[in-house]
Amino acid sequence: EPEVTQTPSHQVTQMGQEVILRCVPISNHLYFYWYRQILGQKVEFLVSFYNNEISEKSEIFDDQFSVERPDGSNFTLKIRSTKLEDSAMYFCASGGQGGFGYTFGSGTRLTVV
Amino acid sequence: RKEVEQDPGPFNVPEGATVAFNCTYSNSASQSFFWYRQDCRKEPKLLMSVYSSGNEDGRFTAQLNRASQYISLLIRDSKLSDSATYLCVVIRDAGNMLTFGGGTRLMVKP
Repeated sequence: EPEVTQTPSHQVTQMGQEVILRCVPISNHLYFYWYRQILGQKVEFLVSFYNNEISEKSEIFDDQFSVERPDGSNFTLKIRSTKLEDSAMYFCASGGQGGFGYTFGSGTRLTVV
Repeated sequence: RKEVEQDPGPFNVPEGATVAFNCTYSNSASQSFFWYRQDCRKEPKLLMSVYSSGNEDGRFTAQLNRASQYISLLIRDSKLSDSATYLCVVIRDAGNMLTFGGGTRLMVKP
């Protein structure tokens, strides 16, 4: 079964550092997403990406965040100048034609110390 | 008001029991509805879509009431492996973001 792959599975970073979270979506999918889940809280939408541009973003997704699809296969989330409150599980998801049938990756656990 | 509301539980039930979860959503423009399952510290996994006519997948039955903006999930003959958090999810349109409820935790005991 096709899957969404995320790396690394766990990243520890110092406050103020930049991190890049990587995702390889399912190859024929057109819609790409980043979500996050702070421990014990609900899954929250960050950003959606379609046709090589951001299609929607939440108020969480401020100037600290950026996304890129650098080479047609990878989809990255960059967090500049990380804060303690950025500690969370970050999930990448992709969707096929019509945008339904989302598949989530297994997530990157980001710990900011 | 939260966009998608769920009773957080936990629901503690014995094996073999029938258990029902409810969910309400606030955005009447919501068009698609899903139940996801999330195991501890894992990614959400699609359990089933929810259709207006109601739909069943084995031991699982989902219902949607658009007039009341209410979604339900019924699990019959609970198994130990059903222990997880069940997430109610709505979407406005294809390609748009998923909006998650906070989840309902189910614990099935022997």
